[in-house]
Amino acid sequence: SQQGEEDPQALSIQEGENATMNCSYKTSINNLQWYRQNSGRGLVHLILIRSNEREKHSGRLRVTLDTSKKSSSLLITASRAADTASYFCATDEGTGNQFYFGTGTSLTVIP
Amino acid sequence: NAGVTQTPKFQVLKTGQSMTLQCAQDMNHNSMYWYRQDPGMGLRLIYYSASEGTTDKGEVPNGYNVSRLNKREFSLRLESAAPSQTSVYFCASSELNYYSNQPQHFGDGTRLSIL
Repeated sequence: SQQGEEDPQALSIQEGENATMNCSYKTSINNLQWYRQNSGRGLVHLILIRSNEREKHSGRLRVTLDTSKKSSSLLITASRAADTASYFCATDEGTGNQFYFGTGTSLTVIP
Repeated sequence: NAGVTQTPKFQVLKTGQSMTLQCAQDMNHNSMYWYRQDPGMGLRLIYYSASEGTTDKGEVPNGYNVSRLNKREFSLRLESAAPSQTSVYFCASSELNYYSNQPQHFGDGTRLSIL
């Protein structure tokens, strides 16, 4: 079963603007991870947030988690053309042994 | 560092042919995974190996078999390829699998077309 659903499916912004993408999931989780995928490449891990955390930062990335709403958001501040990629959330549905990825948000940053 | 290496990068098969996708990691990770990525579907887990000597089915295992050859290598086999198996296949590894609190490291994928 598909666990995460990202929103929006596609996002186009100007360089320097902030980009926000959202992830909703269906069941309880132990943690949630965000990944980036550049065209033609594999996924790269960005950040992990545990179910008892509400917010986490890593460089220009800010992730929030609201377990009551079963949702998470990824904010990329001061975007750059190099941030152009697809972004996926992944959760474990509380099982601990399988990942479920969402369908992704395609981000285009226009120079 | 190579990380996760997948071979081949591209492959075209005819329906009914068989082939094995190879994956090797050099990070001494215990857990390895095979996913397929289809447009609009995200990544779906085919099989995983939590540790050397064990394998388990994921979300979409039908039509596939796997072998955890040793700690480094995890192969995916299509015994009789079908057009529905046209996809991009990704191998990944992680240090541990317990409660998925470890990031997964991905290879660059094998693009497989079945005619």
